[in-house]
Amino acid sequence: GDSVTQMEGPVTLSEEACLTINCTYTATGYPSLFWYVQYPGEGLQLLLKATKADDKGSNKGFEATYRKETTSFHLEKGSVQVSDSAVYFCALSDGNQFYFGTGTSLTVIP
Amino acid sequence: NAGVTQTPKFHILKTGQSMTLQCAQDMNHGYLSWYRQDPGMGLRRIHYSVAAGITDKGEVPDGYNVSRSNTEDFPLRLESAAPSQTSVYFCASSYSKGGADYGYTFGSGTRLTVV
Repeated sequence: GDSVTQMEGPVTLSEEACLTINCTYTATGYPSLFWYVQYPGEGLQLLLKATKADDKGSNKGFEATYRKETTSFHLEKGSVQVSDSAVYFCALSDGNQFYFGTGTSLTVIP
Repeated sequence: NAGVTQTPKFHILKTGQSMTLQCAQDMNHGYLSWYRQDPGMGLRRIHYSVAAGITDKGEVPDGYNVSRSNTEDFPLRLESAAPSQTSVYFCASSYSKGGADYGYTFGSGTRLTVV
């Protein structure tokens, strides 16, 4: 079945460092791909999405490109801030349901 | 603000007691689902509904019941709570069943502890 695998955390970075959180997927069709962010004590919020191959999703300085050839959707940010500290979830939709990764915790220290 | 509203935010329940977690959405979404979030296990779907009057089981439905009498509300009921049901519960909604177009909108969660 479809699935998502993302890098395990936790990840700790200094402010202004570069961030990459790896995400790969397995799907039989052409899924849509998503990144969600969860701040402490809150629900998941949609960060960005891409619905077809080579699409780039972007929001709040974060980017991810739908790579069909490598079945990947890595999350990147050039310069992280303390306020980016959260748990990040990669997810895919096959049109029938969502499949979530287990989440990667990011802590950014001043 | 438009979105998904969950109540209560926190609750402590004794083993064997029953309770209902409330979920309400005001975006006219057809699809509603319940997830539980546990450390190291990500999010697992409990039950879902594609329209009023239609519900179906997700990945981990045992011990939970749902009903959908209208578009807005999707309550989750625990008939006889067990410590294994200690978790954070999220309600999510979307226009379409798979959410492939716009993704899911999540509520802020209910943190339930069963002692």
